[in-house]
Amino acid sequence: DSGVTQTPKHLITATGQRVTLRCSPRSGDLSVYWYQQSLDQGLQFLIQYYNGEERAKGNILERFSAQQFPDLHSELNLSSLELGDSALYFCASSPRRGIADTQYFGPGTRLTVL
Amino acid sequence: GENVEQHPSTLSVQEGDSAVIKCTYSDSASNYFPWYKQELGKGPQLIIDIRSNVGEKKDQRIAVTLNKTAKHFSLHITETQPEDSAVYFCAASTGGFKTIFGAGTRLFVKA
Repeated sequence: DSGVTQTPKHLITATGQRVTLRCSPRSGDLSVYWYQQSLDQGLQFLIQYYNGEERAKGNILERFSAQQFPDLHSELNLSSLELGDSALYFCASSPRRGIADTQYFGPGTRLTVL
Repeated sequence: GENVEQHPSTLSVQEGDSAVIKCTYSDSASNYFPWYKQELGKGPQLIIDIRSNVGEKKDQRIAVTLNKTAKHFSLHITETQPEDSAVYFCAASTGGFKTIFGAGTRLFVKA
């Protein structure tokens, strides 16, 4: 158990809908990262937050957005969902910024868009 | 842009044999190299890591080597067991906000 929690574990929805994925980082970790993993694919970095502020952006679609709250939990919002958005979404956390830290991954949320 | 190449994409070994996975990175500023193991239906879990001031690190049956000049690093698993079957990811980090992951290696250990 990495100490990172993600909810929900599974999510099934329809095209055009909007969903919110939630992540709680390890106690004391200030950085949160979001990744997308499609079937048999690698980890695609989406976005990173540090202590409430956006710090880095990867291949995140405009239909997707995220935020990190004062209690350090983070939410990833996916809107106007398409079939191709079906994937595993992972959250990871690490303690510090500016230092190469280990990222600890949560168990993921499996999103299925029908 | 920066990338990490990982080979092979699939590796099949007999139980008890060794497995080697290789990664090459492009950003010479990279100074931290973690390896993750992802089992089916789970999130990636750190199994070993190495920093740029070290050439080799070992933890029981797992070892990682780093060649900074050639910009490549490798994961070595000895005496493989069926429970080692998983997808393994290498990564390279510059210490800022950038960690680049390799595409993954699916390891099958046949009993």
